[in-house]
Amino acid sequence: QKEVEQNSGPLSVPEGAIASLNCTYSDRVSQSFFWYRQYSGKSPELIMSIYSNGDKEDGRFTAQLNKASQYVSLLIRDSQPSDSATYLCAVRSGSARQLTFGSGTQLTVLP
Amino acid sequence: NAGVMQNPRHLVRRRGQEARLRCSPMKGHSHVYWYRQLPEEGLKFMVYLQKENIIDESGMPKERFSAEFPKEGPSILRIQQVVRGDSAAYFCASSVRRGGRDEQFFGPGTRLTVL
Repeated sequence: QKEVEQNSGPLSVPEGAIASLNCTYSDRVSQSFFWYRQYSGKSPELIMSIYSNGDKEDGRFTAQLNKASQYVSLLIRDSQPSDSATYLCAVRSGSARQLTFGSGTQLTVLP
Repeated sequence: NAGVMQNPRHLVRRRGQEARLRCSPMKGHSHVYWYRQLPEEGLKFMVYLQKENIIDESGMPKERFSAEFPKEGPSILRIQQVVRGDSAAYFCASSVRRGGRDEQFFGPGTRLTVL
């Protein structure tokens, strides 16, 4: 059973702080990793993808991947109230095309 | 550049009726995925299709559920004889593989309520 684990939260950070979201996965042959943001009642929105070890930065978002530790994280710098949402970690393993999702971390950015 | 389109956005059915959910992928995308999100739960993969072919249906319930992606027209997820436990948000995603990368983009979803 391929599993993707996230802390469900809720995680609260003050406006302007760094929010750190973590995700671990069980399948060692996982190759592709994604972070989606989902506002309540809306559909998932892709915000980051990462395929190799290290950091990948896009604006206020940084994804970090460590395949040896089977760990992927998302950092949100200068958090804004509009970042308040559920963040979903998703993993693609091996030759499969579908994504396996974690249960999501609910983030609240307090003004 | 239209995104993934799904309709209807909301669907109400009584137990025993049929539900048909439609998905049109992004322009240029040839892969379609259906996911289900039960209340307070994560997204679960159901089925992966390309035009006229079901590639992977390992996440589909064995009975009452079927999917197709015809040569012309949208992909259809069909649920026969719906039960209350089918109430959920059904999301379609599409992708195209480029340079070894393959990102899935989601439609707005269909929220199915079974009375």
